[in-house]
Amino acid sequence: GESVGLHLPTLSVQEGDNSIINCAYSNSASDYFIWYKQESGKGPQFIIDIRSNMDKRQGQRVTVLLNKTVKHLSLQIAATQPGDSAVYFCAEKGTGGSYIPTFGRGTSLIVHP
Amino acid sequence: DAGITQSPRHKVTETGTPVTLRCHQTENHRYMYWYRQDPGHGLRLIHYSYGVKDTDKGEVSDGYSVSRSKTEDFLLTLESATSSQTSVYFCAINDRNVQNEQYFGPGTRLTVT
Repeated sequence: GESVGLHLPTLSVQEGDNSIINCAYSNSASDYFIWYKQESGKGPQFIIDIRSNMDKRQGQRVTVLLNKTVKHLSLQIAATQPGDSAVYFCAEKGTGGSYIPTFGRGTSLIVHP
Repeated sequence: DAGITQSPRHKVTETGTPVTLRCHQTENHRYMYWYRQDPGHGLRLIHYSYGVKDTDKGEVSDGYSVSRSKTEDFLLTLESATSSQTSVYFCAINDRNVQNEQYFGPGTRLTVT
């Protein structure tokens, strides 16, 4: 069936480095892809989304890249800070008024000072 | 933070007992969702609501029921709790105008013994 997943369950980086979190998806009909951040003991928090007709979108210190050829999504975090330590989820959403995303399992980002 | 609260935040109950979790929002958003989060799985949708008294099932709805008698409240009921329903439950809301950005509550940790 259709699925959304992540390549790496845990990513460790040094403070100040750039982080790249990857996500593979299989539903080529998805219209939007979304990244969420979940800190320990809290609910997920929306970071950024990208529409399927875009290749790149930038936010504050974050960039999402979409490669539809290989069905791959990535979240890049510049100058990673200890406060970026969290689990990051990708999700996909379809069109036609569907407001329900399908979530991947998550990648844990650990930032070492 | 979006005005969304969940109660209780923690609960321990015995197998076979009924349990009701409450989600309360002050944002007047139309859409409300209940998810469960378990190790090894992404967030999985239990039920959702698209208006007062309008609800529908998600991918893991067996053993759960919901009710929405007011815009601000969305209740999740486990009619007869089982150990497989031990999980962290998240409520989420969103508004049609910002459809990709779901706002999540802080979660309820439920343990069924």
